Amino acid sequence: GESVGLHLPTLSVQEGDNSIINCAYSNSASDYFIWYKQESGKGPQFIIDIRSNMDKRQGQRVTVLLNKTVKHLSLQIAATQPGDSAVYFCAESQMNRDDKIIFGKGTRLHILP
Amino acid sequence: DAGITQSPRHKVTETGTPVTLRCHQTENHRYMYWYRQDPGHGLRLIHYSYGVKDTDKGEVSDGYSVSRSKTEDFLLTLESATSSQTSVYFCAITARISDEQYFGPGTRLTVT
Repeated sequence: GESVGLHLPTLSVQEGDNSIINCAYSNSASDYFIWYKQESGKGPQFIIDIRSNMDKRQGQRVTVLLNKTVKHLSLQIAATQPGDSAVYFCAESQMNRDDKIIFGKGTRLHILP
Repeated sequence: DAGITQSPRHKVTETGTPVTLRCHQTENHRYMYWYRQDPGHGLRLIHYSYGVKDTDKGEVSDGYSVSRSKTEDFLLTLESATSSQTSVYFCAITARISDEQYFGPGTRLTVT
């Protein structure tokens, strides 16, 4: 597989603790948001999404929070595991305009034993 | 990888040579994309396709061309490779342009 030595912001979290990864998006008209996970040597994988008519959505061990007032998105991972070690990207789009998805630059999550 | 394959997975080529990367999908999705991923830049869209023979430019399209003669295949061509095109290239597919994308495993291209 492929990986890229990205010079990214890094969040270090103790195994078993909760992780919070933040993202500021750029377009106030964006109404659909997605979090992707990219493990070393692989392409990005969809984790969870949220539409602008919601401010919170939960998945399995993950929660996405949306604050449209300040254009902020966060991904919370409960009970962080070694397998959560990856780069996480947020992405935004406008569904009504059928616009392309725009990706953020990513945050590396590092799990401490 | 949601039925997406990329070939080759690794390639080393010399400056000035043509290079073609292939993306193949088995999902019959309408939209296909080519991205490059570089340190400090994240994913940047090169070109995308919204159907057979229908393509459009992305953010960093200079030096690249694409073709889509069949729904399942999207080709990315570097007509004359340059060192600045050394990167990891990802293909993605989606049923709608604004939906979550499914990515291939990537191709690492090195231009010497």
